[in-house]
Amino acid sequence: AQSVTQLDSQVPVFEEAPVELRCNYSSSVSVYLFWYVQYPNQGLQLLLKYLSGSTLVKGINGFEAEFNKSQTSFHLRKPSVHISDTAEYFCAVTRSNFGNEKLTFGTGTRLTIIP
Amino acid sequence: EPEVTQTPSHQVTQMGQEVILRCVPISNHLYFYWYRQILGQKVEFLVSFYNNEISEKSEIFDDQFSVERPDGSNFTLKIRSTKLEDSAMYFCASSEDQGALGTQYFGPGTRLLVL
Repeated sequence: AQSVTQLDSQVPVFEEAPVELRCNYSSSVSVYLFWYVQYPNQGLQLLLKYLSGSTLVKGINGFEAEFNKSQTSFHLRKPSVHISDTAEYFCAVTRSNFGNEKLTFGTGTRLTIIP
Repeated sequence: EPEVTQTPSHQVTQMGQEVILRCVPISNHLYFYWYRQILGQKVEFLVSFYNNEISEKSEIFDDQFSVERPDGSNFTLKIRSTKLEDSAMYFCASSEDQGALGTQYFGPGTRLLVL
């Protein structure tokens, strides 16, 4: 079974400062990795994904994430945050060789941007 | 841009009543999912559906739950006799076939409150 750990439940950051949201996963098989964002009172929006190839993936809204197989991590970063980035961010994993399987989510990180 | 839609956005029901949550997946998608998110907790997988059959279901998805694709566009989740602990946000998701490597697109959710 897969599992995802998001160690930081809340991250406050000043506007225009950089941010890193941490995600570690556990799996005995190869995985695909995802970051989803949930704005207040909204559904889940795909931010970015790692399927294969380059370990640095770029997503929407200036976010990027780096897949590190040796450290089983997929941390999300943004060099300069904006007030509109205030949201909950979920890291998720699915097995890569089994087609369209379920996503296993982490507990989420609430990013709060301080003006 | 095509999107997953869900109705209703909010549903309040009495314990023991049946509820049906409706979803319209993206039109060319073949895989369908239901997830739920209890307030303040992580998103949990309930069930996946492909080719008019359940592909996988979680421990949460007991005999009180059922899914159906009654026509070519809708995908429904039925809870036969709701319990207080069924109160949650329910998300529908869909994905293309295996060629799209499992990226799931989520609807805005239905907030279910059981009194």
